[in-house]
Amino acid sequence: GEDVEQSLFLSVREGDSSVINCTYTDSSSTYLYWYKQEPGAGLQLLTYIFSNMDMKQDQRLTVLLNKKDKHLSLRIADTQTGDSAIYFCAESIRYTGGFKTIFGAGTRLFVKA
Amino acid sequence: NAGVTQTPKFRVLKTGQSMTLLCAQDMNHEYMYWYRQDPGMGLRLIHYSVGEGTTAKGEVPDGYNVSRLKKQNFLLGLESAAPSQTSVYFCARSYSWETQYFGPGTRLLVL
Repeated sequence: GEDVEQSLFLSVREGDSSVINCTYTDSSSTYLYWYKQEPGAGLQLLTYIFSNMDMKQDQRLTVLLNKKDKHLSLRIADTQTGDSAIYFCAESIRYTGGFKTIFGAGTRLFVKA
Repeated sequence: NAGVTQTPKFRVLKTGQSMTLLCAQDMNHEYMYWYRQDPGMGLRLIHYSVGEGTTAKGEVPDGYNVSRLKKQNFLLGLESAAPSQTSVYFCARSYSWETQYFGPGTRLLVL
């Protein structure tokens, strides 16, 4: 079945780069997403990448997609304490008769001052 | 809040009680969703709707019902709450079936 896996925790120092990794199993995904969740809040869409792209850059965020290995990563440059949050990877899959979005369990990013 | 509001923000229920969670969007989007989030797990889809008057089951629909009488509103009902339904519930909207935008969540505790 479909599955999205992420490591549970990542700790970095302020100013360093953070790289959050995600693997997925379904090769028919069309879009892949990164969401950010701060304490007590909903999921905020950070960025997304279409499955025929290899890379997308948006200010401090860089998304890399390796379709062969079914691997997605999110790099945050110059990580700040305000980046501390849970980051969710998700993929959208379209299939005959419907569609679904599969979420990973989230990676909790700790940023040390 | 990405144009999605959820009411209430927090609720405590006793086992067997019923309640309705309200989700409202101000973007006129066709698609709306209800998810639950439990510790250490990703979001799991309960029900969704692809337009006014339509609803469909998601991954974990048992114990929940939904209605989409108006395009702007998507209601999630618990007829007889159980402790296993203690969770954080998120509503989302999307223009098409792809990119979803989430509300702030409703925290439900069932005793």
